[in-house]
Order: sequence, then structure tokens, then C-alpha cells
Amino acid sequence: GAGVSQTPSNKVTEKGKYVELRCDPISGHTALYWYRQSLGQGPEFLIYFQGTGAADDSGLPNDRFFAVRPEGSVSTLKIQRTERGDSAVYLCASSLKGKTEAFFGQGTRLTVV
Amino acid sequence: AQTVTQSQPEMSVQEAETVTLSCTYDTSESDYYLFWYKQPPSRQMILVIRQEAYKQQNATENRFSVNFQKAAKSFSLKISDSQLGDAAMYFCAYKNRDDKIIFGKGTRLHILP
Repeated sequence: GAGVSQTPSNKVTEKGKYVELRCDPISGHTALYWYRQSLGQGPEFLIYFQGTGAADDSGLPNDRFFAVRPEGSVSTLKIQRTERGDSAVYLCASSLKGKTEAFFGQGTRLTVV
Repeated sequence: AQTVTQSQPEMSVQEAETVTLSCTYDTSESDYYLFWYKQPPSRQMILVIRQEAYKQQNATENRFSVNFQKAAKSFSLKISDSQLGDAAMYFCAYKNRDDKIIFGKGTRLHILP
């Protein structure tokens, strides 16, 4: 597809379970970003990749959160032992280097019950 | 570390009037990019306008223009002839030379008919 694709669009999980959120960026985009957005708030930076490597993971809140991008394209955000406070919309974006803006997916709404 | 501050959580403007949304940022870098994004209730992030820091001329896109004051680290968005469809959350974003992108907390804009 032409845009950034995120799956699933909605995920409901029980507290303590493991979840994976997938992002398929725009083809050829070297940078891939993960953000977390709570209702009425701005996107909170989690991690971004340049190619296969995490360039900056300083926004990951704790070691329950992990993200990979093994082939420099699709990325997976993994959350272990989910907590109710993890409930939010998780946004993925991709970009080229320089002045190009980030293009966003529609997000995954994660609800931990 | 870079930060982006939007000091107006909410603003209202009469239809057809002009409104200015504020954004300040903190950085020690001289080369970077600034963006304004719009997020309607659909949750899709839409680029409104971009500014390259090395360009002194303020960017303009139809009814949208910016006032970029590099020395003051200020990047405000002016919307002229406001329309009902402009109602949304607006986010200011900073992209550094390593392509990391961070966002402000946003301003909710209401358009009064």
C-alpha cells in the first residue's frame, strides 16, 4: 500500500498478557517511529529506527517495552506483562531523511482490562 | 535534549476570523525542521506546513502561515479565514538532524459558527 499500515487497529487484552503491535511503513522510508498517545495529549516519543537499528529508544517507559525492525522495513512493538496504564493509542510513522515529514498510520488502540 | 512546548491547551475562533497558535522549542542545534500537524477526530495525523530552519522566509500554504523566529525559538501557526473543517488538535513538531521527531502536547482548536 501507499501509506503506513498498522495492525491491529484495536486490541483488547487482559492485564499481565503479552501483546505485539505491527507497523508496515512506506516503502523506502529509512526512519520508523513509535509514539504513544493518550486521549487529548500529544504523541509521546517511544523509539525510532534508522534502518534496522534503534537510533534512540530513550522514550520506552520501562523494560516491558521492546521494539524490533529486523529487515529495515516492518517493525513490531512488543509489550510484556501489560498493565492498565499501558492503555493508549500507539502510533507508528515513517520518514525519509531530512526535511521530509513523518507519515503516520491510523494507530492501534490498546485497551488493557 | 530537545523539547517542544505548546502553551495553549485550547483555543476558540469565530468562523472566517484569524487565529494564531503558539509553539516554542528548545534546542542547541542550528540545523533542524519544524512542522505543524492537524489531527481531527478521525485520529489521522495530517501535515499542515513545514519550515526548514536555515530558511529565513516564513512558510505559507494557502490559509496557513507560520511566524518562525529562530533566535527566539518560536514557531507559531496562523490560520486565516477559519473554517469549520479546521476544528482539530494541532501539534507542533521538531525534527533534528538525526531525524528524531518530537511533538508538543497540542492545542485543541474550536471554530465557532
